[in-house]
Amino acid sequence: AQSVSQHNHHVILSEAASLELGCNYSYGGTVNLFWYVQYPGQHLQLLLKYFSGDPLVKGIKGFEAEFIKSKFSFNLRKPSVQWSDTAEYFCAVGPVDTGRRALTFGSGTRLQVQP
Amino acid sequence: EAGVTQSPTHLIKTRGQQATLRCSPISGHTSVYWYQQALGLGLQFLLWYDEGEERNRGNFPPRFSGRQFPNYSSELNVNALELEDSALYLCASSLRTATYEQYFGPGTRLTVT
Repeated sequence: AQSVSQHNHHVILSEAASLELGCNYSYGGTVNLFWYVQYPGQHLQLLLKYFSGDPLVKGIKGFEAEFIKSKFSFNLRKPSVQWSDTAEYFCAVGPVDTGRRALTFGSGTRLQVQP
Repeated sequence: EAGVTQSPTHLIKTRGQQATLRCSPISGHTSVYWYQQALGLGLQFLLWYDEGEERNRGNFPPRFSGRQFPNYSSELNVNALELEDSALYLCASSLRTATYEQYFGPGTRLTVT
């Protein structure tokens, strides 16, 4: 069975601070990796994704994530956060096995950006 | 392009009743997924439908079931409702590709009293 760990449950930053949210997963095979964001009052939105190739992927709104295979990690980063980045962030992992298309989600990280 | 839509937004049922939740995928998407987001339990995979067939099921009892219609919309049925079924039920859709990136709807909030 696969599992996803998000180490930070609640992060508070000031505007312009840099952000890094940790995500580690356990799974024996090849995976697709995702970060989703849920802004207050809105539904889950896909922020960025990694399938293969360059391990550094860029998403919307200046976010990026790096896949480190040896560490089973897919950390989310942003050089300078804005108040509008206040949201809950979820890391998700899905096996590359068409027989089992289930995303496993981490417990989420609530990011609060103070103006 | 319209996103994933779900109805109803809210649903209140009594323990023992049945609930039916509906989902319309993004146009062109053939796969529909259902997830449960219960307080304290996070997002958990329920079911995957593709081309009208149930393809994969999460660790939920058989009273959670559903179907997918020829137009790829889907229905989730929860029978013999229990208090712990109270949760936000999310539907997602994807293309039938190996990457299967999933796009989520706004959810249906089910409350069981």
